[in-house]
Amino acid sequence: DTGVSQDPRHKITKRGQNVTFRCDPISEHNRLYWYRQTLGQGPEFLTYFQNEAQLEKSRLLSDRFSAERPKGSFSTLEIQRTEQGDSAMYLCASSTPGGKETQYFGPGTRLLVL
Amino acid sequence: SQQGEEDPQALSIQEGENATMNCSYKTSINNLQWYRQNSGRGLVHLILIRSNEREKHSGRLRVTLDTSKKSSSLLITASRAADTASYFCATVNSNSGYALNFGKGTSLLVTP
Repeated sequence: DTGVSQDPRHKITKRGQNVTFRCDPISEHNRLYWYRQTLGQGPEFLTYFQNEAQLEKSRLLSDRFSAERPKGSFSTLEIQRTEQGDSAMYLCASSTPGGKETQYFGPGTRLLVL
Repeated sequence: SQQGEEDPQALSIQEGENATMNCSYKTSINNLQWYRQNSGRGLVHLILIRSNEREKHSGRLRVTLDTSKKSSSLLITASRAADTASYFCATVNSNSGYALNFGKGTSLLVTP
Protein backbone atom coordinates (compact mmCIF):
# COMPACT_ATOMS: atom_id res chain seq x y z
CA ASP A 1 0.00 0.00 0.00
CA THR A 2 1.81 3.09 -1.25
CA GLY A 3 -0.79 5.62 -0.14
CA VAL A 4 -1.37 9.01 -1.72
CA SER A 5 1.81 10.76 -2.78
CA GLN A 6 2.41 14.39 -3.63
CA ASP A 7 5.29 16.12 -5.31
CA PRO A 8 7.02 18.37 -4.50
CA ARG A 9 6.70 18.42 -0.72
CA HIS A 10 7.89 22.01 -0.55
CA LYS A 11 7.92 24.80 -3.12
CA ILE A 12 9.27 28.31 -2.79
CA THR A 13 8.49 30.68 -5.62
CA LYS A 14 8.47 34.35 -6.38
CA ARG A 15 5.26 36.29 -6.81
CA GLY A 16 4.03 36.16 -10.38
CA GLN A 17 5.52 32.76 -11.20
CA ASN A 18 3.46 29.72 -12.14
CA VAL A 19 3.63 26.55 -10.06
CA THR A 20 2.36 23.01 -10.65
CA PHE A 21 1.83 20.30 -8.08
CA ARG A 22 1.33 16.62 -8.71
CA CYS A 23 -0.77 14.08 -6.85
CA ASP A 24 -0.72 10.30 -7.29
CA PRO A 25 -3.75 8.69 -5.64
CA ILE A 26 -4.09 5.20 -4.26
CA SER A 27 -4.19 3.04 -7.37
CA GLU A 28 -7.70 1.60 -7.09
CA HIS A 29 -9.30 4.92 -6.07
CA ASN A 30 -11.16 6.68 -8.86
CA ARG A 31 -12.04 9.83 -6.92
CA LEU A 32 -9.41 12.50 -6.33
CA TYR A 33 -9.76 15.71 -4.34
CA TRP A 34 -7.72 18.88 -3.84
CA TYR A 35 -7.83 20.96 -0.66
CA ARG A 36 -5.98 24.01 0.56
CA GLN A 37 -5.03 24.57 4.19
CA THR A 38 -3.81 27.87 5.57
CA LEU A 39 -2.17 28.30 8.95
CA GLY A 40 -4.50 27.70 11.86
CA GLN A 41 -7.38 26.60 9.66
CA GLY A 42 -8.88 23.32 8.57
CA PRO A 43 -8.54 22.20 4.95
CA GLU A 44 -10.76 23.94 2.41
CA PHE A 45 -12.16 21.98 -0.53
CA LEU A 46 -11.08 23.15 -3.99
CA THR A 47 -12.10 20.59 -6.60
CA TYR A 48 -12.59 16.90 -7.28
CA PHE A 49 -12.42 14.35 -10.08
CA GLN A 50 -14.13 11.10 -10.75
CA ASN A 51 -11.81 9.29 -13.11
CA GLU A 52 -10.74 11.96 -15.61
CA ALA A 53 -13.90 14.06 -15.25
CA GLN A 54 -13.68 17.18 -13.11
CA LEU A 55 -17.12 17.16 -11.49
CA GLU A 56 -16.78 20.18 -9.24
CA LYS A 57 -14.59 23.20 -9.82
CA SER A 58 -16.71 26.11 -8.69
CA ARG A 59 -14.81 26.27 -5.43
CA LEU A 60 -11.43 26.82 -7.00
CA LEU A 61 -10.26 30.08 -5.49
CA SER A 62 -9.87 32.06 -8.70
CA ASP A 63 -9.33 31.58 -12.42
CA ARG A 64 -5.61 31.42 -11.69
CA PHE A 65 -6.20 27.95 -10.26
CA SER A 66 -6.73 24.96 -12.53
CA ALA A 67 -6.55 21.20 -12.14
CA GLU A 68 -6.32 18.28 -14.52
CA ARG A 69 -6.47 14.53 -14.38
CA PRO A 70 -5.94 13.60 -18.01
CA LYS A 71 -5.88 9.81 -17.80
CA GLY A 72 -7.83 9.31 -14.63
CA SER A 73 -4.73 8.48 -12.64
CA PHE A 74 -2.45 11.26 -11.35
CA SER A 75 -3.63 14.85 -11.13
CA THR A 76 -1.95 18.24 -11.34
CA LEU A 77 -2.93 21.51 -9.71
CA GLU A 78 -1.56 24.65 -11.33
CA ILE A 79 -1.52 28.14 -9.91
CA GLN A 80 -0.71 30.87 -12.40
CA ARG A 81 0.70 34.28 -11.48
CA THR A 82 1.13 33.33 -7.85
CA GLU A 83 0.38 35.83 -5.12
CA GLN A 84 1.61 35.93 -1.53
CA GLY A 85 -1.87 34.96 -0.40
CA ASP A 86 -1.49 31.64 -2.20
CA SER A 87 1.04 30.53 0.42
CA ALA A 88 -0.52 27.48 2.03
CA MET A 89 -0.45 23.70 2.24
CA TYR A 90 -2.08 22.03 -0.76
CA LEU A 91 -3.49 18.62 0.08
CA CYS A 92 -4.63 15.87 -2.21
CA ALA A 93 -6.92 13.01 -1.21
CA SER A 94 -8.45 10.01 -2.91
CA SER A 95 -11.35 7.69 -2.24
CA THR A 96 -13.31 4.80 -3.65
CA PRO A 97 -16.63 5.43 -5.43
CA GLY A 98 -19.65 6.51 -3.47
CA GLY A 99 -18.62 9.89 -2.14
CA LYS A 100 -19.54 8.89 1.37
CA GLU A 101 -16.48 6.98 2.26
CA THR A 102 -13.15 7.80 3.79
CA GLN A 103 -10.81 10.14 1.96
CA TYR A 104 -7.13 9.29 2.27
CA PHE A 105 -4.83 12.26 2.29
CA GLY A 106 -1.33 12.72 0.98
CA PRO A 107 1.42 14.52 2.90
CA GLY A 108 0.72 17.81 1.13
CA THR A 109 2.77 20.37 -0.79
CA ARG A 110 3.73 23.41 1.21
CA LEU A 111 3.89 26.51 -0.99
CA LEU A 112 5.63 29.72 0.00
CA VAL A 113 5.26 32.70 -2.30
CA LEU A 114 7.82 35.43 -1.71
CA SER B 1 -16.48 27.95 3.89
CA GLN B 2 -15.89 26.07 7.11
CA GLN B 3 -18.77 23.86 8.16
CA GLY B 4 -17.75 22.58 11.56
CA GLU B 5 -16.59 24.28 14.69
CA GLU B 6 -14.45 22.37 17.15
CA ASP B 7 -14.38 23.13 20.82
CA PRO B 8 -12.09 23.74 22.61
CA GLN B 9 -9.57 25.34 20.25
CA ALA B 10 -6.74 24.06 22.42
CA LEU B 11 -6.52 21.40 25.11
CA SER B 12 -3.61 20.47 27.36
CA ILE B 13 -3.68 17.30 29.47
CA GLN B 14 -1.30 14.84 31.08
CA GLU B 15 -0.61 11.34 29.89
CA GLY B 16 -3.21 8.88 31.08
CA GLU B 17 -6.02 11.43 31.19
CA ASN B 18 -8.96 11.43 28.81
CA ALA B 19 -9.39 14.10 26.16
CA THR B 20 -12.78 15.20 24.87
CA MET B 21 -13.26 17.36 21.80
CA ASN B 22 -16.56 18.61 20.46
CA CYS B 23 -17.71 19.53 16.99
CA SER B 24 -20.79 21.38 15.83
CA TYR B 25 -21.98 21.67 12.26
CA LYS B 26 -24.70 23.48 10.36
CA THR B 27 -26.34 21.41 7.62
CA SER B 28 -27.72 17.92 7.10
CA ILE B 29 -24.96 15.40 6.70
CA ASN B 30 -24.32 11.94 5.28
CA ASN B 31 -21.51 11.24 7.69
CA LEU B 32 -19.03 12.90 10.03
CA GLN B 33 -15.37 12.02 10.16
CA TRP B 34 -12.55 12.81 12.55
CA TYR B 35 -8.99 13.32 11.32
CA ARG B 36 -5.68 13.85 13.09
CA GLN B 37 -2.88 16.04 11.81
CA ASN B 38 0.59 16.09 13.27
CA SER B 39 2.44 19.38 13.01
CA GLY B 40 2.46 20.54 9.40
CA ARG B 41 1.74 17.12 7.92
CA GLY B 42 -1.07 15.38 6.08
CA LEU B 43 -4.27 14.24 7.68
CA VAL B 44 -4.82 10.77 9.03
CA HIS B 45 -8.34 9.39 9.11
CA LEU B 46 -9.42 8.24 12.56
CA ILE B 47 -13.06 7.28 12.43
CA LEU B 48 -16.24 7.76 10.39
CA ILE B 49 -19.73 7.83 11.86
CA ARG B 50 -22.78 7.77 9.62
CA SER B 51 -25.82 9.96 10.13
CA ASN B 52 -27.91 7.00 11.32
CA GLU B 53 -25.36 5.98 13.95
CA ARG B 54 -25.15 7.42 17.45
CA GLU B 55 -21.89 6.04 18.79
CA LYS B 56 -18.82 4.32 17.45
CA HIS B 57 -15.64 2.95 18.98
CA SER B 58 -12.20 2.31 17.59
CA GLY B 59 -9.48 1.33 20.04
CA ARG B 60 -9.07 4.21 22.49
CA LEU B 61 -11.41 6.42 20.45
CA ARG B 62 -15.11 6.91 21.07
CA VAL B 63 -17.21 9.11 18.83
CA THR B 64 -20.79 10.18 19.40
CA LEU B 65 -23.13 11.90 16.99
CA ASP B 66 -26.31 13.80 17.82
CA THR B 67 -27.95 14.86 14.56
CA SER B 68 -30.76 16.68 16.39
CA LYS B 69 -28.19 18.98 17.97
CA LYS B 70 -25.87 18.86 14.94
CA SER B 71 -22.96 17.95 17.16
CA SER B 72 -20.35 15.26 17.67
CA SER B 73 -17.74 14.48 20.26
CA LEU B 74 -14.43 12.62 20.12
CA LEU B 75 -13.14 11.01 23.29
CA ILE B 76 -9.56 9.75 23.49
CA THR B 77 -9.09 7.60 26.56
CA ALA B 78 -5.80 7.00 28.40
CA SER B 79 -3.99 9.60 26.31
CA ARG B 80 -0.35 9.28 25.32
CA ALA B 81 2.26 11.86 24.35
CA ALA B 82 2.00 10.51 20.80
CA ASP B 83 -1.62 11.70 20.69
CA THR B 84 -0.34 15.29 20.57
CA ALA B 85 -1.74 16.67 17.33
CA SER B 86 -4.54 18.75 15.85
CA TYR B 87 -7.89 17.02 15.54
CA PHE B 88 -10.45 18.00 12.92
CA CYS B 89 -14.01 17.01 12.38
CA ALA B 90 -15.24 16.97 8.81
CA THR B 91 -18.72 16.52 7.43
CA VAL B 92 -20.03 15.30 4.11
CA ASN B 93 -23.20 17.19 3.32
CA SER B 94 -26.34 15.40 2.21
CA ASN B 95 -26.66 17.56 -0.89
CA SER B 96 -23.14 17.13 -2.21
CA GLY B 97 -21.81 13.77 -1.16
CA TYR B 98 -18.18 14.44 -1.93
CA ALA B 99 -16.51 17.49 -0.38
CA LEU B 100 -15.29 17.24 3.18
CA ASN B 101 -16.11 20.36 5.15
CA PHE B 102 -13.62 20.86 7.96
CA GLY B 103 -13.66 22.89 11.13
CA LYS B 104 -10.68 24.81 12.46
CA GLY B 105 -9.59 21.95 14.67
CA THR B 106 -8.65 21.34 18.28
CA SER B 107 -4.97 21.43 19.17
CA LEU B 108 -4.25 18.72 21.74
CA LEU B 109 -1.08 18.68 23.83
CA VAL B 110 -0.40 15.61 25.95
CA THR B 111 2.48 16.04 28.37
CA PRO B 112 4.36 13.11 29.95
